[in-house]
Amino acid sequence: ETVMTQSPASLSVSPGEGVTLSCRASQSISSNLAWYQQKPGQAPRLLIYDASTRATGVPARVSGSGSGTEFTLTISSLQSEDSAVYYCQRYNDWPPWTFGQGTKVEVK
Amino acid sequence: VQLVESGGGLVQPGGSLRLSCAASGFTWSRYSMNWVRQAPGKGLEWIAYISSAGSAIFYSDSVKGRFTISRDNARDSLFLQMTNLRDEDTGIYYCARDSAPDWYLEFWGQGTLVTVSS
Repeated sequence: ETVMTQSPASLSVSPGEGVTLSCRASQSISSNLAWYQQKPGQAPRLLIYDASTRATGVPARVSGSGSGTEFTLTISSLQSEDSAVYYCQRYNDWPPWTFGQGTKVEVK
Repeated sequence: VQLVESGGGLVQPGGSLRLSCAASGFTWSRYSMNWVRQAPGKGLEWIAYISSAGSAIFYSDSVKGRFTISRDNARDSLFLQMTNLRDEDTGIYYCARDSAPDWYLEFWGQGTLVTVSS
């Protein structure tokens, strides 16, 4: 089973700053990686699929990159509304669809 | 697209519960569906998948043999029959639709809370 590892576990940034979140797969998953955002009390929301394609309605200051085993999610010009937990998830091959453990981003 | 889960509640260890997910706003029979859960204060855990026609089904090891995923393509509904429930099954259960033909989870319901406790 492919294990997804995210880093860091959490971080705190000031409004206007940018962040880069990391996700590593224990074996190659090509570009079959998605990123989700989950705000407190809400369901997850798809941000990025195919490692770098923004989902509908996601602003251009959110970007994804990587392939194989190393992936990053970059968010620039952070706003308070970006405070959330961000998860990566692999979807190559067949299930199980494994998620990373999440990175909590606090904007304050 | 709308996905609405129901059926959650409080159940004793060893008990059973059936969750439902009602779908609308898209052609139901074209998409695979999933159940994903989240224990209190924890991350996301995928637990079950069913293909668009119901011919392919997969489970996580944590629920295999205890949970059964099914769908009714005539009623645009997804189900999760949960038996022999354990304390560690407590959490919010989300149904999620894939993107067809890819398998990322494009749309999610708001979830239903399952609490297993004596």
